[in-house]
Amino acid sequence: DVKVTQSSRYLVKRTGEKVFLECVQDMDHENMFWYRQDPGLGLRLIYFSYDVKMKEKGDIPEGYSVSREKKERFSLILESASTNQTSMYLCASSLIHRGDYGYTFGSGTRLTVV
Amino acid sequence: SQQGEEDPQALSIQEGENATMNCSYKTSINNLQWYRQNSGRGLVHLILIRSNEREKHSGRLRVTLDTSKKSSSLLITASRAADTASYFCATDSKRDDKIIFGKGTRLHILP
Repeated sequence: DVKVTQSSRYLVKRTGEKVFLECVQDMDHENMFWYRQDPGLGLRLIYFSYDVKMKEKGDIPEGYSVSREKKERFSLILESASTNQTSMYLCASSLIHRGDYGYTFGSGTRLTVV
Repeated sequence: SQQGEEDPQALSIQEGENATMNCSYKTSINNLQWYRQNSGRGLVHLILIRSNEREKHSGRLRVTLDTSKKSSSLLITASRAADTASYFCATDSKRDDKIIFGKGTRLHILP
């Protein structure tokens, strides 16, 4: 069964810490995405990548960076965690660019910054 | 920027009844997708309908698309307790290459 795996389901970090959220897909997909999901705001795109070492800013990139050194792995980095980054983080991948193909999502990481 | 918007925000129906959710969007699209999200989990892709299609079926799911009204509906027939979840539409845009998710409809199936 094809999968997108996020390394942690729940994470608690302190304000100011550098936080790494890892995402691995086993489908040889070119495209990978990071979203955050907040009540009342829906899913918002943070960063995405269409190829190894390539990254593009989404709608809310401030306070985040990403790394894609290998095709199967897309990491989201919170440079200095703040309480307003407490959220559910969802990683997704897709075979084809744009919306021509469904996205496969990971189970999500619920991050709490205290 | 929000493209798709689901209606209603929340829906409660009896098990066995049909559930209908709607999605409206603003700009011309290539495709529209529907996803399900169980509480605290990731989204699961249900169905994709292309702009030149009017209706699509998958099991108990029926999706319609009316590009003249810029709207889509998702019908779940003979609902089950396991259908309790949030349902999201996602649209891409002919203007750029990203897909954008709506805020979802929370569906609750009553026993």
